[in-house]
Amino acid sequence: KAGVTQTPRYLIKTRGQQVTLSCSPISGHRSVSWYQQTPGQGLQFLFEYFSETQRNKGNFPGRFSGRQFSNSRSEMNVSTLELGDSALYLCASSIGQGSGELFFGEGSRLTVL
Amino acid sequence: EDKVVQSPLSLVVHEGDTVTLNCSYEVTNFRSLLWYKQEKKAPTFLFMLTSSGIEKKSGRLSSILDKKELSSILNITATQTGDSAIYLCAWGPAGGTSYGKLTFGQGTILTVHP
Repeated sequence: KAGVTQTPRYLIKTRGQQVTLSCSPISGHRSVSWYQQTPGQGLQFLFEYFSETQRNKGNFPGRFSGRQFSNSRSEMNVSTLELGDSALYLCASSIGQGSGELFFGEGSRLTVL
Repeated sequence: EDKVVQSPLSLVVHEGDTVTLNCSYEVTNFRSLLWYKQEKKAPTFLFMLTSSGIEKKSGRLSSILDKKELSSILNITATQTGDSAIYLCAWGPAGGTSYGKLTFGQGTILTVHP
């Protein structure tokens, strides 16, 4: 059974640019959550999508957005990048109902120069 | 504000030692407490504890939830170098639409020397 796949694995951007990250969940999983991990703040919840609808949202500015497609694949976008957006962005998938277990992908490492 | 606090933040032991990692939470609407292990990139699931399942064990790892004290411990016996990792504790809120939203602690960095 294939795991959660995230692309790209590494990317470098400059301030002011935008970036789009992609996540393909485990087959059959309808929930996709996004997390930001930094040394200072740890793992922080960004948002969750379930059946193409944003179901939960964390405390991040509007520059962070996402969407989910009918095949459950999800993308997140960060516009007007800032140095502080440098982080590991992790995607997690789950069935979305009746279970608290999330399965994480290996992440996309974003560096903003 | 909901909060999950882990201690210690880092720990160095030798192979064969037993370690206890702590997680305390101040949250509303408790549903579950989860433990993850993060070695390189992807956190991998270890245990989930709920009101109906307050003790879990898998091999050398075990975890207990104390709902009265609002805390949980993760025990690792006979540690091996392969146990070196960041151990993350997370809280999952109750509510029918909150399954993908976890609040994580800072993590405990465990280093096991040969």
